[in-house]
Amino acid sequence: DAKTTQPNSMESNEEEPVHLPCNHSTISGTDYIHWYRQLPSQGPEYVIHGLTSNVNNRMASLAIAEDRKSSTLILHRATLRDAAVYYCILSIAGGSNYKLTFGKGTLLTVNP
Amino acid sequence: DSGVTQTPKHLITATGQRVTLRCSPRSGDLSVYWYQQSLDQGLQFLIQYYNGEERAKGNILERFSAQQFPDLHSELNLSSLELGDSALYFCASSVGQPNQPQHFGDGTRLSIL
Repeated sequence: DAKTTQPNSMESNEEEPVHLPCNHSTISGTDYIHWYRQLPSQGPEYVIHGLTSNVNNRMASLAIAEDRKSSTLILHRATLRDAAVYYCILSIAGGSNYKLTFGKGTLLTVNP
Repeated sequence: DSGVTQTPKHLITATGQRVTLRCSPRSGDLSVYWYQQSLDQGLQFLIQYYNGEERAKGNILERFSAQQFPDLHSELNLSSLELGDSALYFCASSVGQPNQPQHFGDGTRLSIL
């Protein structure tokens, strides 16, 4: 399985943008990049996913490098509710198996 | 609210016992996934079902089994429980098509005494 590398932790201030990096140098051409987050005492929550082009949704933006070996999740204005562990995951889309392989993720702290 | 319902929220039992965890997927979702989250192992994929059929197996112990019923709800059965089985068990559901988001429930916290 292709692996991802994320910083263990990051800190941000409320209402400032946050850029969460992810390296995935062994990504294959068919792997999608997914981001999930897990708030304290909750199950993981889907944030965004993409293949090659940058993606935007109501929660965040996903910027994918041209060579696809890295990506960045962008929270445009962090709120206290965004404090969570953020997971960058490559989907294993071979056949009908769509399991998610979670790493340790990045613990985001948001300061008021 | 993800639309995925897991019951019970908490379960306390003893070693050697057997428990059943239940999951109701989001309306319209055909695929159900089970994950285990422990402090030392993190979030690990256990098993996936799609429309009643097993589709993929991960790090699921032989003491554990699952099934998905015709109404698409799923049950995870854990037997001969050991202290190390104490963990959060999450169920997720998706439409089952490639690269569609998985929606997670709030989990069942299992404590083995």
